[in-house]
Amino acid sequence: GESVGLHLPTLSVQEGDNSIINCAYSNSASDYFIWYKQESGKGPQFIIDIRSNMDKRQGQRVTVLLNKTVKHLSLQIAATQPGDSAVYFCAERDTDKLIFGTGTRLQVFP
Amino acid sequence: GAGVSQTPSNKVTEKGKYVELRCDPISGHTALYWYRQSLGQGPEFLIYFQGTGAADDSGLPNDRFFAVRPEGSVSTLKIQRTERGDSAVYLCASSSRQGLHNEQFFGPGTRLTVL
Repeated sequence: GESVGLHLPTLSVQEGDNSIINCAYSNSASDYFIWYKQESGKGPQFIIDIRSNMDKRQGQRVTVLLNKTVKHLSLQIAATQPGDSAVYFCAERDTDKLIFGTGTRLQVFP
Repeated sequence: GAGVSQTPSNKVTEKGKYVELRCDPISGHTALYWYRQSLGQGPEFLIYFQGTGAADDSGLPNDRFFAVRPEGSVSTLKIQRTERGDSAVYLCASSSRQGLHNEQFFGPGTRLTVL
């Protein structure tokens, strides 16, 4: 398949461990943030979102944390599985469009 | 149900040629977006349609790029006089204005290579 990004920061974790992927955003006025997962040759897939009036939101095996003071987002994946291997992007909403960060490649090894 | 589809999946063209990229959004989605993704980068916004009209085209890099959505469903991104720097994956997304979080659903993209 086609690689999404050849020069991305990479996080390597062992299967079953927890993963933490970090992201800094630029606009302190942003009110909505989303994490996307992108597998090779595919479009981004929604994982979880959070509004700016929250600092934590949990989904199935995933948690997003928002620190507005330092404009930082993190995505925590519990019990990482091989199927979690992909590139992960954070995005902030600017009116109706999304502004994506650079992305982090997550590699899960047995 | 069917997701967002894009055709072709791959397009190879020569510098200076004209290309059209097609997006079929999820049925009933009124909002449609085009993004461009270069290798190693996150998607970059190009243009957003609400219905038939372009509500925001601030991301189009220059006047060689144009997009239409004449019936408020299918959209075509048109690139004139292609340049090698136009090579990228062009992503389309759609969303329903009824959704609380206005989630954008992405298609698989069209990989454009300009030789």
